[in-house]
Amino acid sequence: KQEVTQIPAALSVPEGENLVLNCSFTDSAIYNLQWFRQDPGKGLTSLLLIQSSQREQTSGRLNASLDKSSGRSTLYIAASQPGDSATYLCAFANTGTASKLTFGTGTRLQVTL
Amino acid sequence: NAGVTQTPKFQVLKTGQSMTLQCAQDMNHEYMSWYRQDPGMGLRLIHYSVGAGITDQGEVPNGYNVSRSTTEDFPLRLLSAAPSQTSVYFCASGYLRPGKRSNYGYTFGSGTRLTVV
Repeated sequence: KQEVTQIPAALSVPEGENLVLNCSFTDSAIYNLQWFRQDPGKGLTSLLLIQSSQREQTSGRLNASLDKSSGRSTLYIAASQPGDSATYLCAFANTGTASKLTFGTGTRLQVTL
Repeated sequence: NAGVTQTPKFQVLKTGQSMTLQCAQDMNHEYMSWYRQDPGMGLRLIHYSVGAGITDQGEVPNGYNVSRSTTEDFPLRLLSAAPSQTSVYFCASGYLRPGKRSNYGYTFGSGTRLTVV
């Protein structure tokens, strides 16, 4: 069974900092990995998706990487802004069960002025 | 706008009542699923479907029923509500065949906040 851990659980940084959110997993038979953002009381917004054959994806100030050998994915946020404050979730679909996502418990990010 | 629509957004039920949470998507996605989100537990899969007429259980299926008669709709039925089912419920749809479709991956609805008293 896939186990997903996100560290740290919470993070507070000043505006402008570059930061890295970590996501580790136990089963390397990955079909794809998706990073989501969730604002308080809202749904999940997809940020980036990495297929098993890829190592990273980029969208604007966001870069996500996948290293199956080490069981780790990272989400890099460049030049953080107060609007980036949210909870960030990683989710994995495994080979053979691609219709099912296993989520981490998230990292709650606060970017201060 | 294309996406996943969940209704209602909020609901209060009494213990023992039944109800149906609605979910509809207009992206012609083959996969649909229901998750519940609880503090400290993250999102957990309740039921999922890989196509019309095909459903299966997820991690926490007890007390819930689903059916998928069309590609677009995937309702979640609570048979006899219990306080333990107080949660936020999310429906998701997905297209998972690598290719050129821009909406590859999963799309989530905005959620239904359910309280059982």
